[in-house]
Amino acid sequence: DAGITQSPRHKVTETGTPVTLRCHQTENHRYMYWYRQDPGHGLRLIHYSYGVKDTDKGEVSDGYSVSRSKTEDFLLTLESATSSQTSVYFCAISPTGGGNTEAFFGQGTRLTVV
Amino acid sequence: TQLLEQSPQFLSIQEGENLTVYCNSSSVFSSLQWYRQEPGEGPVLLVTVVTGGEVKKLKRLTFQFGDARKDSSLHITAAQTGDTGLYLCAGAGTGFQKLVFGTGTRLLVSP
Repeated sequence: DAGITQSPRHKVTETGTPVTLRCHQTENHRYMYWYRQDPGHGLRLIHYSYGVKDTDKGEVSDGYSVSRSKTEDFLLTLESATSSQTSVYFCAISPTGGGNTEAFFGQGTRLTVV
Repeated sequence: TQLLEQSPQFLSIQEGENLTVYCNSSSVFSSLQWYRQEPGEGPVLLVTVVTGGEVKKLKRLTFQFGDARKDSSLHITAAQTGDTGLYLCAGAGTGFQKLVFGTGTRLLVSP
């Protein structure tokens, strides 16, 4: 299995509070992605990174920010959590961008905003 | 935004039946991937198709990439209960750095 760890695995937080999810990899892969998964929507890309300090927005980036200060860590921050951000969040890593090589996924973080 | 629409959204069949899942887009993709996801886990790659018209077989699963590289299909022959799961197609997005996923097809195979 690819060395990718998401933390925490489960979190319940209150509306309006900031929340940070962590993705840690031991594969030294260049690309890292954050997705959210909701019924009927598959996986939607929030942000991705193509190197240390190099990040870009995905299709549902509003209300989220990311940081990558080291190759192995990619942090997703919900600046002020809202109930619409209740979801399962997946981190993925890939040695190259796009769809020509396999993306490896973490086990997900279930976030509930109450 | 490049969108990948999958159909059907849900499929419930009996063991031994055949089925086809479709992945369609108005955009051209350099390659398309299919993933399967089981409850509580992240998606796992099944196959990557890169050439228009390409057909790949993985045991009872047959994957096809459309000639125009805008669509793909997954055909399962003689489905088994172990095939149950969420099937997702994915394609390289604009700039070929983003990996964009389809809406997903949830398959339930009953004994």
